Amino acid sequence: DTGVSQNPRHKITKRGQNVTFRCDPISEHNRLYWYRQTLGQGPEFLTYFQNEAQLEKSRLLSDRFSAERPKGSFSTLEIQRTEQGDSAMYLCASSSQDYNEQFFGPGTRLTVL
Amino acid sequence: QKEVEQNSGPLSVPEGAIASLNCTYSDRGSQSFFWYRQYSGKSPELIMSIYSNGDKEDGRFTAQLNKASQYVSLLIRDSQPSDSATYLCALDDKIIFGKGTRLHILP
Repeated sequence: DTGVSQNPRHKITKRGQNVTFRCDPISEHNRLYWYRQTLGQGPEFLTYFQNEAQLEKSRLLSDRFSAERPKGSFSTLEIQRTEQGDSAMYLCASSSQDYNEQFFGPGTRLTVL
Repeated sequence: QKEVEQNSGPLSVPEGAIASLNCTYSDRGSQSFFWYRQYSGKSPELIMSIYSNGDKEDGRFTAQLNKASQYVSLLIRDSQPSDSATYLCALDDKIIFGKGTRLHILP
């Protein structure tokens, strides 16, 4: 297993466009997390899944944001009608249910022009 | 709301010395504590986890937890230039991160 993977690694889009990111967790991990990180800040929790169930969403996750994990494996994060304030690094992490230790993917850097 | 406080630094430490990084947190109910290292432009990398009071050692790293005083620290012995990074303190399973402390090891 090569760890958590994320695609694309970089995304440049124009304001108002929709974007979708994908995360593939470590195969034996049933928990998957999405975070957002801006320069000089720590990662901010957005949402997490246990298997296919989305168990928690942050207040940061406005109605323009939606996340899915349809078969309990990979996950997608979609941002509709992007705004310049959405520019950030979007991080995905996974963990097993038995341990809270989370392992991060390389991230997707979003730039909204 | 749970909060995690860290000194943003930079913390400059001579090569070979001990680097000491500190973190305080607001929620007494927090059970899990983590230290992550993050190089510029990269994603966080887990260094240590600690769940009970006391010290936990792993190679050159020692994590220390004091739940009564609500702080957790990370000691890095024999600091190397490759340890220069931002160190993030985090707690609990939905992980609340601090803003991180920038560590600079002086060769």
